[in-house]
Amino acid sequence: DAGVIQSPRHEVTEMGQEVTLRCKPISGHDYLFWYRQTMMRGLELLIYFNNNVPIDDSGMPEDRFSAKMPNASFSTLKIQPSEPRDSAVYFCASSPGTSGSSPLHFGNGTRLTVT
Amino acid sequence: AQSVSQHNHHVILSEAASLELGCNYSYGGTVNLFWYVQYPGQHLQLLLKYFSGDPLVKGIKGFEAEFIKSKFSFNLRKPSVQWSDTAEYFCAVGIYNQGGKLIFGQGTELSVKP
Repeated sequence: DAGVIQSPRHEVTEMGQEVTLRCKPISGHDYLFWYRQTMMRGLELLIYFNNNVPIDDSGMPEDRFSAKMPNASFSTLKIQPSEPRDSAVYFCASSPGTSGSSPLHFGNGTRLTVT
Repeated sequence: AQSVSQHNHHVILSEAASLELGCNYSYGGTVNLFWYVQYPGQHLQLLLKYFSGDPLVKGIKGFEAEFIKSKFSFNLRKPSVQWSDTAEYFCAVGIYNQGGKLIFGQGTELSVKP
């Protein structure tokens, strides 16, 4: 099993540009999560999906952020337009769980720098 | 709203010292509890988990954690740390019937001096 795969590993972009982060969850996992990690705020849950359907997007900072999961093996997190305060490490995670009892399997993250 | 609080932001220990990292959560219902570890430059990995039963849980690499329901706590311990334990440690809570959603604490950075 290859684990959760994220791309790119690093992204440097200028303010105002569109950024797209990609994630391939572990096959058979029904849940997919997007987290953002910063020094100031720690790990924040942005959004999560169950069977490709967004369940809770209350953590999405604002309308500049959007996430999609067109099928069970792929998800994207898009920021348009990007701002310097979006600089963070974005983690994707997947889980087979249904009751909060299953651990999350994290990808290696995408380090985003917006200048 | 549910929250997780980790008491220490940064802990510095010498090798062979004992470790205890505090974690408290705010939620009155059924929870599942986790500790994750993030080594420098790597992703989060599961250290141990508690679902039910014996409140003393043993994980990988000699770590253990004790769930004290009355105190809403799930502290992480290790009797003797090693330099290789240098990492950031995250406590997380899974709320029953909220799917796989986990709420993480702010993290505690552990530095072990050789």
